[in-house]
Amino acid sequence: DTAVSQTPKYLVTQMGNDKSIKCEQNLGHDTMYWYKQDSKKFLKIMFSYNNKELIINETVPNRFSPKSPDKAHLNLHINSLELGDSAVYFCASSQGLATGELFFGEGSRLTVL
Amino acid sequence: GENVEQHPSTLSVQEGDSAVIKCTYSDSASNYFPWYKQELGKGPQLIIDIRSNVGEKKDQRIAVTLNKTAKHFSLHITETQPEDSAVYFCAATADKLIFGTGTRLQVFP
Repeated sequence: DTAVSQTPKYLVTQMGNDKSIKCEQNLGHDTMYWYKQDSKKFLKIMFSYNNKELIINETVPNRFSPKSPDKAHLNLHINSLELGDSAVYFCASSQGLATGELFFGEGSRLTVL
Repeated sequence: GENVEQHPSTLSVQEGDSAVIKCTYSDSASNYFPWYKQELGKGPQLIIDIRSNVGEKKDQRIAVTLNKTAKHFSLHITETQPEDSAVYFCAATADKLIFGTGTRLQVFP
């Protein structure tokens, strides 16, 4: 039973389109995150939610909009996709904010053509 | 904000040798230093962590050391095995987890 699951695993789309990535965790954690990993493997935090409340919002274009309908879900919607958005997006969860182990999903590879 | 530097970016060792990866951080308020291993096509996974009130921690073949004064911490893997081949990330946190730039470790049989 997967602890943090993301869908879809692969996403190929055209510039200008809108797409969503969904994330669910069954660990009972109260904090969820989105990280972006670029082609050089750099892992950068984008957003963090604690009990459905936005806690961290890094300098991410407002084309990216996270939504947390409940503690177990954190979705990422991206509008007007650009070539530079191509990356692997990782969802993660933890109990508490930045105080312990992060559990990562397997990633969603987004390719913008 | 926190900035974490990691070296080397690539590391190749012979099976059985030791591997050392070093990180420095900038924010003296950081108090938690985990290390993650990322295998191909997977998400990062925690392998060991250390908190600021401890100088060293060991778990079988893996050890981490922390020098708070110098703001350095290091990962040591002894008796490396081919399955240790992966990308390793250090991280530091005060209010959010910031990752280093990663080290690709290759262990040759």
